[in-house]
Amino acid sequence: GQNIDQPTEMTATEGAIVQINCTYQTSGFNGLFWYQQHAGEAPTFLSYNVLDGLEEKGRFSSFLSRSKGYSYLLLKELQMKDSASYLCAVKDSNYQLIWGAGTKLIIKP
Amino acid sequence: ETGVTQTPRHLVMGMTNKKSLKCEQHLGHNAMYWYKQSAKKPLELMFVYSLEERVENNSVPSRFSPECPNSSHLFLHLHTLQPEDSALYLCASSHALADSSYEQYFGPGTRLTVT
Repeated sequence: GQNIDQPTEMTATEGAIVQINCTYQTSGFNGLFWYQQHAGEAPTFLSYNVLDGLEEKGRFSSFLSRSKGYSYLLLKELQMKDSASYLCAVKDSNYQLIWGAGTKLIIKP
Repeated sequence: ETGVTQTPRHLVMGMTNKKSLKCEQHLGHNAMYWYKQSAKKPLELMFVYSLEERVENNSVPSRFSPECPNSSHLFLHLHTLQPEDSALYLCASSHALADSSYEQYFGPGTRLTVT
């Protein structure tokens, strides 16, 4: 079966750095997405990786290793507004998104 | 930005009721999706439409019936639901379904409670 694993919850301090990991086992691979979802709101797109390596976008970076079935989202200079759930999703061979359950990130002052 | 809108935002219905959820996208996309989001569970893809043709139905019970009259509108018709159907129902849209790089844009969701 297809599976996406990510930690259920993480806690970090304002101003610090946090890394959210995602491992996947899917039938085929056509890219990996990270989304942010604030409580009660819609998921919003953060990043897309299809080749190995690091993609940087401001305070957020996303890394992919296809051989290891592994990705991480790195958030720097954490702000209180970064408190949200972070969803990892992989497009499989049928171009369908397979979703993880999300990681709830709690930022403390 | 009102790229993808959904109505109603909240819905409480009894198990014998019939109701419909509506989604509209203003982004010029040609693929639309219905998802179910339950607490602490992955997003569950329910239906996918590409160019108004249904391309995916992930074994969804027949009490959920989708309709896509044109590329901008998507409906989810509900009847004789069960309490376990209570969840957040999200609509999303994207450009070409088979292009892997296109992200999906989500609406704010309908919070459904079945009593």
